Amino acid sequence: AQSVTQLGSHVSVSEGALVLLRCNYSSSVPPYLFWYVQYPNQGLQLLLKYTSAATLVKGINGFEAEFKKSETSFHLTKPSAHMSDAAEYFCAVTRANQAGTALIFGKGTTLSVSS
Amino acid sequence: DGGITQSPKYLFRKEGQNVTLSCEQNLNHDAMYWYRQDPGQGLRLIYYSQIVNDFQKGDIAEGYSVSREKKESFPLTVTSAQKNPTAFYLCASTGQGSRHEQYFGPGTRLTVT
Repeated sequence: AQSVTQLGSHVSVSEGALVLLRCNYSSSVPPYLFWYVQYPNQGLQLLLKYTSAATLVKGINGFEAEFKKSETSFHLTKPSAHMSDAAEYFCAVTRANQAGTALIFGKGTTLSVSS
Repeated sequence: DGGITQSPKYLFRKEGQNVTLSCEQNLNHDAMYWYRQDPGQGLRLIYYSQIVNDFQKGDIAEGYSVSREKKESFPLTVTSAQKNPTAFYLCASTGQGSRHEQYFGPGTRLTVT
């Protein structure tokens, strides 16, 4: 069965510091992987996605993630944090290689950015 | 603008009452989903529908019901059988060829007292 583990429910960084949010997955089929961001009391917005093309994926707002099959990881990074990056971040994996199937989400990581 | 609308943003109900949450999309997407979000729990799948007049239970369907009579609409009813209905509910959709990318609505926060 597919699953997603996000290491660290809360990450704190200083403005300008590197952001690293960790995501490990398990999947019995080649996965599609996603990172979403959520601001308080809002829906989720897609940051980036891996769909079996390039293993280094660039997304919006300067975020990127690298798919590492050998490590079953898809960690999210940003070289320099900004105050506006403070939000909750979710990693997700496809349930099966079937159209219309839902995603499995990790429990989320809250990112705090201090000045 | 294309997107997903959920109404209302905040909903308050008394225990024992059924309540229906609205989800409408104008993206021409075939598949639609309902998730429940609780603090520290991530998103959990309630129901999903791949085509009109068809839907499947997700991981936590007990106490919920849905319908899919139109492509654009996928309402969720929280029944009195749901033991802990207070949560943030998110609706999402996926289009053909979008490689499972889900588009989310703004959510409805339901409080039952």
